[in-house]
Amino acid sequence: GQQVMQIPQYQHVQEGEDFTTYCNSSTTLSNIQWYKQRPGGHPVFLIQLVKSGEVKKQKRLTFQFGEAKKNSSLHITATQTTDVGTYFCGCGSGANSKLTFGKGITLSVRP
Amino acid sequence: GAVVSQHPSWVICKSGTSVKIECRSLDFQATTMFWYRQFPKQSLMLMATSNEGSKATYEQGVEKDKFLINHASLTLSTLTVTSAHPEDSSFYICSAKRNRDDNEQFFGPGTRLTVL
Repeated sequence: GQQVMQIPQYQHVQEGEDFTTYCNSSTTLSNIQWYKQRPGGHPVFLIQLVKSGEVKKQKRLTFQFGEAKKNSSLHITATQTTDVGTYFCGCGSGANSKLTFGKGITLSVRP
Repeated sequence: GAVVSQHPSWVICKSGTSVKIECRSLDFQATTMFWYRQFPKQSLMLMATSNEGSKATYEQGVEKDKFLINHASLTLSTLTVTSAHPEDSSFYICSAKRNRDDNEQFFGPGTRLTVL
């Protein structure tokens, strides 16, 4: 079956540093979505990428879909304490709408 | 808009009892709802996909007789954990899609189930 890798599971940065994380799928995807889950909260949709090589920005967050549509990156510029949380990628393949999620990366930011 | 609620937010029950969890889309009609299970510091594991008026599609390894899903209307899906055991203790989260062309999933706040 499809495997989704997000490594590492934890990352600690100093406030103001940039942060990049990756999501890798074992299969070609139709779309990839990123979600953020704050401690004690539920996942909240951030973005969806559909096209090969697509890049989307949301303020300090930049999302990219790989050319082969098997991986994606999330880059945060100048991290802030509000960026703390777990970032999950959800991978969609085929015509159905279900997603396979990676284990997520938990980001902590030292003020 | 696009708010999903779950009830209860937490429940403690005795081993052998059944527990029903409700998932409601409050301000939209959900064409599809999903049920996930999340262990501490782990990913979201999809249990089943639920479409209104039809039988749920269960993921491999999920017992359909153990986890009963009923999608009675476009705004309500229920998950019943039958004859719960301590190993069923987990965080159960539902999500909903607004329409067939929009892949974004709106997640509920989750239900923490503890089976004693």
